[in-house]
Amino acid sequence: AQSVTQLDSHVSVSEGTPVLLRCNYSSSYSPSLFWYVQHPNKGLQLLLKYTSAATLVKGINGFEAEFKKSETSFHLTKPSAHMSDAAEYFCVVRYYNQGGKLIFGQGTELSVKP
Amino acid sequence: KAGVTQTPRYLIKTRGQQVTLSCSPISGHRSVSWYQQTPGQGLQFLFEYFSETQRNKGNFPGRFSGRQFSNSRSEMNVSTLELGDSALYLCASSSVTGVQETQYFGPGTRLLVL
Repeated sequence: AQSVTQLDSHVSVSEGTPVLLRCNYSSSYSPSLFWYVQHPNKGLQLLLKYTSAATLVKGINGFEAEFKKSETSFHLTKPSAHMSDAAEYFCVVRYYNQGGKLIFGQGTELSVKP
Repeated sequence: KAGVTQTPRYLIKTRGQQVTLSCSPISGHRSVSWYQQTPGQGLQFLFEYFSETQRNKGNFPGRFSGRQFSNSRSEMNVSTLELGDSALYLCASSSVTGVQETQYFGPGTRLLVL
């Protein structure tokens, strides 16, 4: 079955330190990959997306992700965490044979300590 | 451009009742998708509409239905509500239905079934 797995349900970092949120996808077909962020009581906001162009994708707020086909991974990173980054992050995959259907990972809650 | 709007934002219903949720996509967007978000199941795809036609459907019972109007606005209906239908229902729109298209999410409708 086509799926996406976020390897950590919760990640805690100190402000100013790097962030790494891990994501693996099943590799049935070449997918499009997205990272979305959800702040408490808010909708989902797109951080970045991979659509078979450059493998290193830069997004908003200093986030970036690298598509690694050999590892079927799409990890999200940020060099220096800010308090405002505290939120839930979703890795999302979309396969060409499934139209508009997005498949969501279970989410990673990011906490940022002062 | 105005974002995706959803009405109402909050709803309280009792078991057995039915409910209709509304979604207005970003102007010019013709594709609308619906998702259910619960703590236990995460984010799950309900269905996708494009130009008034249902293009894709998730694994939900027939009590969940939807439609799209000629102005691209969409409604989702849940009949015979169950306690487990309590969730945040998110609507997303995109300009077309394609694997690389970004879906933009609304703030959601929070439904509580008592």
